[in-house]
Amino acid sequence: EAGVAQSPRYKIIEKRQSVAFWCNPISGHATLYWYQQILGQGPKLLIQFQNNGVVDDSQLPKDRFSAERLKGVDSTLKIQPAKLEDSAVYLCASSSAGGSEAFFGQGTRLTVV
Amino acid sequence: AQSVTQLGSHVSVSEGALVLLRCNYSSSVPPYLFWYVQYPNQGLQLLLKYTTGATLVKGINGFEAEFKKSETSFHLTKPSAHMSDAAEYFCAVNAGGTSYGKLTFGQGTILTVHP
Repeated sequence: EAGVAQSPRYKIIEKRQSVAFWCNPISGHATLYWYQQILGQGPKLLIQFQNNGVVDDSQLPKDRFSAERLKGVDSTLKIQPAKLEDSAVYLCASSSAGGSEAFFGQGTRLTVV
Repeated sequence: AQSVTQLGSHVSVSEGALVLLRCNYSSSVPPYLFWYVQYPNQGLQLLLKYTTGATLVKGINGFEAEFKKSETSFHLTKPSAHMSDAAEYFCAVNAGGTSYGKLTFGQGTILTVHP
């Protein structure tokens, strides 16, 4: 079974630029999560999707971050404009409706300079 | 609301020694508790979880953890450390009954294993 796929693995951008990350969850997984992991901290949930609907985006900085999951499969997370403090690893995870575990991708490491 | 505190950001042990990583949680509802491991430049891998039932749970790679409600703790142990156990470990909690991936994580503990 293929795992959660994320791309790119690494991205370096200048502040005020925009960036997008892509996630392909495990086939059939209805729930998808985006986490932000700042160096030295645990991951923090940004947004949770159930199929193509948002379940929880209470911790998403909506003035600069956006996310979508148009067909209930792949998802993109966008930052516009980026700030230095957005430097982090962005992790995508997915779980099935009746599952007992969330599976994480390898993450995208973003550096904002 | 839930929160997790991991005591000790760095733990160092000798190969073959006991591993003990501490985790305390706060939750307003019965919690589900998790331990994840993260190797460098990798995502998170589930080691074990507690949902309901037996309070001593066994996971992969010889790890186990015990849910102690009275102490609000979920410490991770392994009787004998191996070099391959060197990684960062995260304790996480969610509100029981909610999506398994909707997690609040601790800040992590880096485990170093010396030969």
